[in-house]
Amino acid sequence: ETGVTQSPTHLIKTRGQQVTLRCSSQSGHNTVSWYQQALGQGPQFIFQYYREEENGRGNFPPRFSGLQFPNYSSELNVNALELDDSALYLCASSSQTGAPTEAFFGQGTRLTVV
Amino acid sequence: GQNIDQPTEMTATEGAIVQINCTYQTSGFNGLFWYQQHAGEAPTFLSYNVLDGLEEKGRFSSFLSRSKGYSYLLLKELQMKDSASYLCAVSSPTTTSSALEPERGNQAGTALIFGKGTTLSVSS
Repeated sequence: ETGVTQSPTHLIKTRGQQVTLRCSSQSGHNTVSWYQQALGQGPQFIFQYYREEENGRGNFPPRFSGLQFPNYSSELNVNALELDDSALYLCASSSQTGAPTEAFFGQGTRLTVV
Repeated sequence: GQNIDQPTEMTATEGAIVQINCTYQTSGFNGLFWYQQHAGEAPTFLSYNVLDGLEEKGRFSSFLSRSKGYSYLLLKELQMKDSASYLCAVSSPTTTSSALEPERGNQAGTALIFGKGTTLSVSS
């Protein structure tokens, strides 16, 4: 186990609803990144948080937003859910930004939008 | 643009050696990672290369050629439990220098740009 925990593990939502996913980073890690992994695809970078500020963003619309808290845990919020948002959402924590240190992944949240 | 290519599927038998290739074209390069992902589970770290050459770690080795934009993961003495998806990922900067805020003590972040993964099936 990596020490990165995500909740919930599974979630079913209806199109148009909003969802919040949570991630507790590994002890000592101050950087959290979120990824979306569709079935049969590699993870795609959503955004990264460092010291409670967004520190980089991938090609995702503004309805994907996030937060990082003083204890370095993080939330991913998705508004106006679409069917294509159905995916495994992965949180990864690392010890610093600006250096390619190993990222430790949580087990993911499987989101199904119906 | 960002592009990472690796074969979709590979098959091999127990005890054999398999090489999974990865080619990449990215706007930035801070290193190349290989991750293993079993179905329904999180990716787990296998290896990291930032300089050209071969890195060996037990049954797994990874090679990098930055000039060719090429890497491979070599798995020796294959076991059934090695059946999984293998993800090639390039570490790339997320923030340009113009966006840095020195007063916040921030520095450029890095994101992992993943390929689609190679599904390896090991049979007895």
